[in-house]
Amino acid sequence: NAGVTQTPKFQVLKTGQSMTLQCAQDMNHNSMYWYRQDPGMGLRLIYYSASEGTTDKGEVPNGYNVSRLNKREFSLRLESAAPSQTSVYFCASSEANYGGSEQYFGPGTRLTVT
Amino acid sequence: LAKTTQPISMDSYEGQEVNITCSHNNIATNDYITWYQQFPSQGPRFIIQGYKTKVTNEVASLFIPADRKSSTLSLPRVSLSDTAVYYCLVARYNNAGNMLTFGGGTRLMVKP
Repeated sequence: NAGVTQTPKFQVLKTGQSMTLQCAQDMNHNSMYWYRQDPGMGLRLIYYSASEGTTDKGEVPNGYNVSRLNKREFSLRLESAAPSQTSVYFCASSEANYGGSEQYFGPGTRLTVT
Repeated sequence: LAKTTQPISMDSYEGQEVNITCSHNNIATNDYITWYQQFPSQGPRFIIQGYKTKVTNEVASLFIPADRKSSTLSLPRVSLSDTAVYYCLVARYNNAGNMLTFGGGTRLMVKP
């Protein structure tokens, strides 16, 4: 089991460029999440998908879009990158979308926007 | 939205018990409390989760008082490998939408 995988590991973009961060899980989990982590701060929820076919906004969704491609894959897209989106992005998955469900995190994507 | 507050850093020595407290004054009735551990350049890893009173697993204990406005992660007999950042999470899942509020993290340094 690879758990949660993310690609790429590192990315540098220029302001205005677009890119898609990929995430996949092999644990047959129903729910998936995208977070960003800025230096010295906790994680903030960008978007989540409670189950295949659904997506919802989290705390900081502006400037991002997501696609739940299938049960395994959940991608995050930046349409027009801005320096404020420089961050480390983590994808996570959980068995279900409820309070008692543990989240499993990927290794992260470090994104720099210049 | 439950705001979560943690100490920024703590120091300890090997073999000691470490207690990290998280404050979440606005916690709602159905919110769960979870603690995660994060090493540099890695994603957070689940430690323990609870709703009320005390929960214990093989690595930690979680104490939650009756009013649930705070929670304390207890790590017994820490070792150097416990040096990491610890996050508390207050999680609310309902049809109105998820609210997952992480604290800012507590950087634990374990010294020999």
